[in-house]
Amino acid sequence: ETGVTQSPTHLIKTRGQQVTLRCSSQSGHNTVSWYQQALGQGPQFIFQYYREEENGRGNFPPRFSGLQFPNYSSELNVNALELDDSALYLCASSLPGGENTEAFFGQGTRLTVV
Amino acid sequence: AQSVTQLGSHVSVSEGALVLLRCNYSSSVPPYLFWYVQYPNQGLQLLLKYTSAATLVKGINGFEAEFKKSETSFHLTKPSAHMSDAAEYFCAVRPLGNEKLTFGTGTRLTIIP
Repeated sequence: ETGVTQSPTHLIKTRGQQVTLRCSSQSGHNTVSWYQQALGQGPQFIFQYYREEENGRGNFPPRFSGLQFPNYSSELNVNALELDDSALYLCASSLPGGENTEAFFGQGTRLTVV
Repeated sequence: AQSVTQLGSHVSVSEGALVLLRCNYSSSVPPYLFWYVQYPNQGLQLLLKYTSAATLVKGINGFEAEFKKSETSFHLTKPSAHMSDAAEYFCAVRPLGNEKLTFGTGTRLTIIP
């Protein structure tokens, strides 16, 4: 089975620009979650998608948005980039619910906003 | 809201010594608890998880953790540290019926040769 893959691995953007990050979930996983990990911090939950619908959101402004496609891959879009958006963005896929479900993380996309 | 606190942002141990990384959670109902490891420029890898079965949980790479409800703790241990254990370790909590993981701030483990 293939793991979670994210693209690109690194990205540099200018303040005010827009960015799209991509995630391919592990085979058979229909739930995708996105996390932001600032330098020296733990990951913070952005939102989750289940069967193409947003299914929970953390404390992030509306300029953070997402999509999930029929093949369960996902995109994270960030508009009007700010310097504080510089972080490692992690995608995790899982099967929904239950105590045995486990989130599998991708390698992340390192976003630098200048 | 559920949260986890990791005591000690940096821990150094000698190779071969006991590793102890501390995690306390806040929740009125015992949640699911996890330990993840992150190597430099990598994503997160699951070490082990507690899901209301056995209180002593064994994970990969010789790590284990004990769930103690009375202390609201889920500390990670390894009897003998190896150089390859040097990494960042995150404790995380997930409420029942919810997929959202809440992470601690992490503990950077350094192994002294």
